[in-house]
Amino acid sequence: DAGVTQSPTHLIKTRGQQVTLRCSPKSGHDTVSWYQQALGQGPQFIFQYYEEEERQRGNFPDRFSGHQFPNYSSELNVNALLLGDSALYLCASSDSYEQYFGPGTRLTVT
Amino acid sequence: GQSLEQPSEVTAVEGAIVQINCTYQTSGFYGLSWYQQHDGGAPTFLSYNALDGLEETGRFSSFLSRSDSYGYLLLQELQMKDSASYFCAVRVSAVGGFKTIFGAGTRLFVKA
Repeated sequence: DAGVTQSPTHLIKTRGQQVTLRCSPKSGHDTVSWYQQALGQGPQFIFQYYEEEERQRGNFPDRFSGHQFPNYSSELNVNALLLGDSALYLCASSDSYEQYFGPGTRLTVT
Repeated sequence: GQSLEQPSEVTAVEGAIVQINCTYQTSGFYGLSWYQQHDGGAPTFLSYNALDGLEETGRFSSFLSRSDSYGYLLLQELQMKDSASYFCAVRVSAVGGFKTIFGAGTRLFVKA
C-alpha cells in the first residue's frame, strides 16, 4: 500500500513565477491538507480539501490556491512567488485525527 | 486564534527519560497530537489524546489535561535514534470539519 506521495521532490523558481505542486493521498483517504514548513519551524496549515472542495484555510494569501481531483489527489498552486515562499511544502492525508505526511517538496525561490 | 507553546530544545542522555511539555490556547479544541520529524524527513504520527489522562505506546507516553490546556510527551529509555524534532498539534473544529495546527517544535538531542 503506497503512502502519501508528492512531486516534484525539489524545485527552484524565480521571483514572480508560478508553481504547481502535486500530492497523491494514502489509499482510502479522502481528505488532503497542505502545510508550509520553514527551516526550524513547525508545519503551518495552508488549507484542506475534502470532496473536491476547500473546507478549511489558514492565514495564507490568495496567491496560494489548490484543487482536489475526483481520485482525491491534490495540487497546490502558488502565484507571484516571493523569496519568503521558499520552504518545504508538505501534503498530508487523513481519514480521522492521524495525519499521514508525504516526503514534501523543497521549493527554493531565487 | 490558536497558539501552542513548547520548549525549543531539550538535551538528554541515552537511557534517560525526557518530558516535552506543550501548552495551548485555542477554540474548538478536540484533541492533542504529537509528531516526530527527523532531519530531512516528514513528520510521523506518535500519539493522540482526546480525553484527560495518560496514553502509553511502547517507550512513548502522552498526557493531556483539558482543564489546564496542557499536555506532554514522555520518552523513556532514550535511544540515539530518538534525536529529532517533536511537534505538538491541536485538532480543532472549524466550519466544514476539523483542522490540525502545529506548534513550532522541540528539538531533542540525545547524547551518549
